[in-house]
Amino acid sequence: GENVGLHLPTLSVQEGDNSIINCAYSNSASDYFIWYKQESGKGPQFIIDIRSNMDKRQGQRVTVLLNKTVKHLSLQIAATQPGDSAVYFCAENGGGSNDYKLSFGAGTTVTVRA
Amino acid sequence: DAGVIQSPRHEVTEMGQEVTLRCKPISGHDYLFWYRQTMMRGLELLIYFNNNVPIDDSGMPEDRFSAKMPNASFSTLKIQPSEPRDSAVYFCASSLSYSNNEKLFFGSGTQLSVL
Repeated sequence: GENVGLHLPTLSVQEGDNSIINCAYSNSASDYFIWYKQESGKGPQFIIDIRSNMDKRQGQRVTVLLNKTVKHLSLQIAATQPGDSAVYFCAENGGGSNDYKLSFGAGTTVTVRA
Repeated sequence: DAGVIQSPRHEVTEMGQEVTLRCKPISGHDYLFWYRQTMMRGLELLIYFNNNVPIDDSGMPEDRFSAKMPNASFSTLKIQPSEPRDSAVYFCASSLSYSNNEKLFFGSGTQLSVL
């Protein structure tokens, strides 16, 4: 079946550097994508979202890029801080009649080195 | 707002026992979701409610699982009888209006261990 997947399961980044987390999706019908952050012992927390009619969206220290041609989504974190250490999930809505169901990727564990 | 509240935070039980997980959504949210998270399968949607009515339970693994939402401020997920393979973190989430792609707000989860 179609699903959302991540290119890399782990990412180690030096404090202050920029982080890039990648996500590949295969459901071309998806029109809404979300990034979540999950810290240890907590539930996923919304970071940023993007609709398929956009290529880029910026938030506070985060930017999401969407490339529909190659079905690729990325999350960029500027000036990574220790508090950014967490597991990051991308999710897609599946589009069409499945827009009420979010499919989550496997997650990328980000570790920030001091 | 206190956010989505789940209880208990941790549950350890023996195979065959009944397990009940509880959730209080954010006040005013009309959608409630139950997710299960495991290392092998990641986050899976089990069931979701709209205005206390179950809309889609196709993610519920089998008849041992059941969920109810008797009112707008409370939902339960019950497993009877429980099995070791049910061990996972169960999350409840709520949103204001999912059809408009409103954000999901997750609780802190219930860590279930079935021995």
